[in-house]
Order: sequence, then C-alpha cells, then structure tokens
Amino acid sequence: NAGVMQNPRHLVRRRGQEARLRCSPMKGHSHVYWYRQLPEEGLKFMVYLQKENIIDESGMPKERFSAEFPKEGPSILRIQQVVRGDSAAYFCASSPPSGGQGNTIYFGEGSWLTVV
Amino acid sequence: GNSVTQMEGPVTLSEEAFLTINCTYTATGYPSLFWYVQYPGEGLQLLLKATKADDKGSNKGFEATYRKETTSFHLEKGSVQVSDSAVYFCALRSGAQKLVFGQGTRLTINP
Repeated sequence: NAGVMQNPRHLVRRRGQEARLRCSPMKGHSHVYWYRQLPEEGLKFMVYLQKENIIDESGMPKERFSAEFPKEGPSILRIQQVVRGDSAAYFCASSPPSGGQGNTIYFGEGSWLTVV
Repeated sequence: GNSVTQMEGPVTLSEEAFLTINCTYTATGYPSLFWYVQYPGEGLQLLLKATKADDKGSNKGFEATYRKETTSFHLEKGSVQVSDSAVYFCALRSGAQKLVFGQGTRLTINP
C-alpha cells in the first residue's frame, strides 16, 4: 500500500515564477492537509481539503497561494509569483474519513522549494 | 484553541542515556496525541500515538503516556542510540480537525 506521494521532491524557481506541488493521498484516504516548514522551524498548518471542498484554509496566506483537491487526480498546492520567503519544505498529509484508523494522519516525504 | 508546547531544544545526550522530551497540551474535548519524528531531509514519520487518557503508546523503545490530569504526553526512551538523532514533534488532533504541532525538539546523540 503506497504511502502519501508528493512530487516534485525538489523544485527550484526564480522569483516571480509559479510553483505547483502535487500530492496523492494514501489509498482510501479522502482528506488532505498541507503544511509548510521553514528552515529550522516547526510545521505550520496551511489548508485542509476533502474531495472538491476546502474545509479549513485558516493557515493559507491571503495572496498568491491556492490549493485544490479535485474529484479525480492529486491535490495541488499552487504558489504564484514566488518570492524568496516561500523557500521551504511543503508537506502533504492524508487521513481516512472521520473516525478511521484512530485519527492518524500520514505524511509524505515533502517537496523542497527553493526560490532563487 | 488547541495548542501544544514542547520542551525547547536542542537536546544533546550520550549514547545509552535516558531521554525525556516534555510535551503539554491545551485542548477542548478529548484529543488524540501523537509523536512524530523527522530525520534530516525527510518527511514526518509517525512514532507513536495514544487516543484516550491513560493509554500508553510505544514503538522502537520509545514510550509516551496520555496524562489527562496533567495534560501531558512526555516522550521517553531508556537507552538512546546515535540513530535516534532527529527532530521530534508532539502533536494533537481533535476529531477530524487538523493536526496541531509543537515547535519540535532537535535531539543529537553522541557516540
């Protein structure tokens, strides 16, 4: 059973370009979460999605960032017009429908974004 | 709102030493509690969890007990190894909500 799959693992973008990060949840999981980890810092929640719905986006910056989890295909975190401060590791996580597997959330290996 | 406070790091120990990383939480209701570990350049791996008061989670020699009376979930290991060097995150989750993390504790074990 494959885990949470993220790609690309490493991404380099110039300032002003767009970054797209993809996440395929574990099989049977319908909830996806995105977290950001700045260098030498902890994990900050960004957004929580279910299929075709954003449940909680309280951690998303108001501008340039967006996320989706379509009915078919992976979840996408999109960062427009990237700036150096966006350089971070972006982690995706998934969980089963409410109440399953003891409420455990499983993480992917992360996507490391570097803005030059 | 829910929050998690972890012992500040970094923590440096010698091999075979006893480890404690403190974690306390604030939450409404009855959250599930977790410890995750992050090795350099990698993602987060679930280390152990506890879903109700007095439960003890354990894995790879690590243990943590869900203490509702002290709102704590301290991580312990009796004899650490160099390979345990990593960043450890305490976290909680209420129902189907997001995971709330502590700030992480960097652990270095010297041979």
